[in-house]
Amino acid sequence: ETGVTQSPTHLIKTRGQQVTLRCSSQSGHNTVSWYQQALGQGPQFIFQYYREEENGRGNFPPRFSGLQFPNYSSELNVNALELDDSALYLCASSLGAGNTEAFFGQGTRLTVV
Amino acid sequence: SQQGEEDPQALSIQEGENATMNCSYKTSINNLQWYRQNSGRGLVHLILIRSNEREKHSGRLRVTLDTSKKSSSLLITASRAADTASYFCATWNAGGTSYGKLTFGQGTILTVHP
Repeated sequence: ETGVTQSPTHLIKTRGQQVTLRCSSQSGHNTVSWYQQALGQGPQFIFQYYREEENGRGNFPPRFSGLQFPNYSSELNVNALELDDSALYLCASSLGAGNTEAFFGQGTRLTVV
Repeated sequence: SQQGEEDPQALSIQEGENATMNCSYKTSINNLQWYRQNSGRGLVHLILIRSNEREKHSGRLRVTLDTSKKSSSLLITASRAADTASYFCATWNAGGTSYGKLTFGQGTILTVHP
């Protein structure tokens, strides 16, 4: 167990809807990164939050947004869901935004129908 | 986009045999990490090797890094059925002055038969 928890574990949404995924980081970790993993692919970096600020972003459209709270937990919000958003969403926490290992949660499986 | 390639895409071996997976990447890196994933769930961190290191061991795992060839290998010795999983290499790149991100390969699916 990494100490990183994600909720919910599974979710089914309809195209066009909005979804919020949640992540609690490992105790003492101030950085949360979010990744999207499509079936059969490796995870792709969405963005990172460090001390409540977005600290870097991958090649994802603005309808992917996030928040980080004072306790360093984080949310990923996706608006106007598309079928291609169906994936496993992983969050990873780390100590600092720098050169270090990341601890991943079990992921949220999102299915868009 | 994916950082590089993993080879092979799938590997099937018998218990007790060694398993070797290779990873190539494209850009300069700060470190390279290997992760394991069971049945499409969360990633488990296995080992981190820094760009100035050439080899690292952890239990039955041995990782090598060749920055001149932009490649790494993961060796699992004396494999067990419980090692069956997908294995991913990920390079850590500084995305700017204050953050970095992991860029993953597409993974190797390892099946260890009892």
